[in-house]
Amino acid sequence: GQQLNQSPQSMFIQEGEDVSMNCTSSSIFNTWLWYKQDPGEGPVLLIALYKAGELTSNGRLTAQFGITRKDSFLNISASIPSDVGIYFCAGPIQGGSEKLVFGKGTKLTVNP
Amino acid sequence: GAVVSQHPSWVICKSGTSVKIECRSLDFQATTMFWYRQFPKQSLMLMATSNEGSKATYEQGVEKDKFLINHASLTLSTLTVTSAHPEDSSFYICSPQMLGQETQYFGPGTRLLVL
Repeated sequence: GQQLNQSPQSMFIQEGEDVSMNCTSSSIFNTWLWYKQDPGEGPVLLIALYKAGELTSNGRLTAQFGITRKDSFLNISASIPSDVGIYFCAGPIQGGSEKLVFGKGTKLTVNP
Repeated sequence: GAVVSQHPSWVICKSGTSVKIECRSLDFQATTMFWYRQFPKQSLMLMATSNEGSKATYEQGVEKDKFLINHASLTLSTLTVTSAHPEDSSFYICSPQMLGQETQYFGPGTRLLVL
């Protein structure tokens, strides 16, 4: 089945640094979604991408939908302690389904 | 974004008991409800999909008689874990979706611990 490979698995950075994480797949996706999950909470949508090549920003976050439709990256600029959490990429399973498949997540730790 | 609530937020129960988890979409009508399960340090795994007024469809490996889903209204869905066992301990998250809505929003999750 479709799988999303997320990397890195975890990151430890200093406050103020920029962060980049990505998500790849051997399958084509028509939508890429980036979520953040805080401990004990449900995922919160950060950015949604719907077109190949699309570059979208949300505050300090920027995400791009790869031109091949098989990858996406998420950048966080000038990280702050509240950026700590697990970041997941997700995309709809093929076949017109609204079901989502998730990557395994990137755990971000920001040291003040 | 959409407002989704789950109740309870956490529950501890004895093995063999049943637990009901409610999911409500507070500001939109959810024609479809997705239920996910997340084990510690793992990603979200889809358990089942239900459409309002219809029977739920379950993903491979998820027992439909153990995880009963009711989606009787456009704003409420329930997941009942029947005869819960310690291996059912997990974080259960709902995701209601409105017809035509492109993105999915998630509830805050329910932490279940079965002793």
